[in-house]
Amino acid sequence: AQSVTQLGSHVSVSEGALVLLRCNYSSSVPPYLFWYVQYPNQGLQLLLKYTSAATLVKGINGFEAEFKKSETSFHLTKPSAHMSDAAEYFCAVSGKSGGSNYKLTFGKGTLLTVNP
Amino acid sequence: DTAVSQTPKYLVTQMGNDKSIKCEQNLGHDTMYWYKQDSKKFLKIMFSYNNKELIINETVPNRFSPKSPDKAHLNLHINSLELGDSAVYFCASSLTSYEQYFGPGTRLTVT
Repeated sequence: AQSVTQLGSHVSVSEGALVLLRCNYSSSVPPYLFWYVQYPNQGLQLLLKYTSAATLVKGINGFEAEFKKSETSFHLTKPSAHMSDAAEYFCAVSGKSGGSNYKLTFGKGTLLTVNP
Repeated sequence: DTAVSQTPKYLVTQMGNDKSIKCEQNLGHDTMYWYKQDSKKFLKIMFSYNNKELIINETVPNRFSPKSPDKAHLNLHINSLELGDSAVYFCASSLTSYEQYFGPGTRLTVT
């Protein structure tokens, strides 16, 4: 069974600073990995995905993530934080759930606050 | 055009009542899901349907019954609501095994 661990339930950065949100996964097969963002009182929006192509994945809003198999990590970064980046971020891994069906397993989320 | 829509957005009801949440997707996806997000923001899958067939049922009480009349719709009916059912319920859809697209959520409050 797959699992996801997000290190740090709350990350606070200054506007313009580097954003680093950590995610480690556990999966018995090569995983599909995702980062989602949830703004207050909204649904989840896909930021980026890794599906066994390039290990450095670029997403929307200037975010990117690097898949490191040796470290079982998929950390999310952005060079310069913007006030509008303040939100909850979820890392997720997709794995089989019986037969050929897949399901997403989410981490517990990391709340990103951006200080002016 | 809203890709995945849910109604209602807010639902306040009393313990013991029965309620339904509706979900529709216009993405042409073949798989739909229901997730529950608790007060600590933890997301957990409840059900998944593929082409109207139930494929995932994650130890959810029998009071919860999903129904998929067609590929584009997945409704969630909840009987005998309890305080612990208060949460945000998200519908999602996907094509094959790749990324899922989420609806805006339904905030259920049981008093």
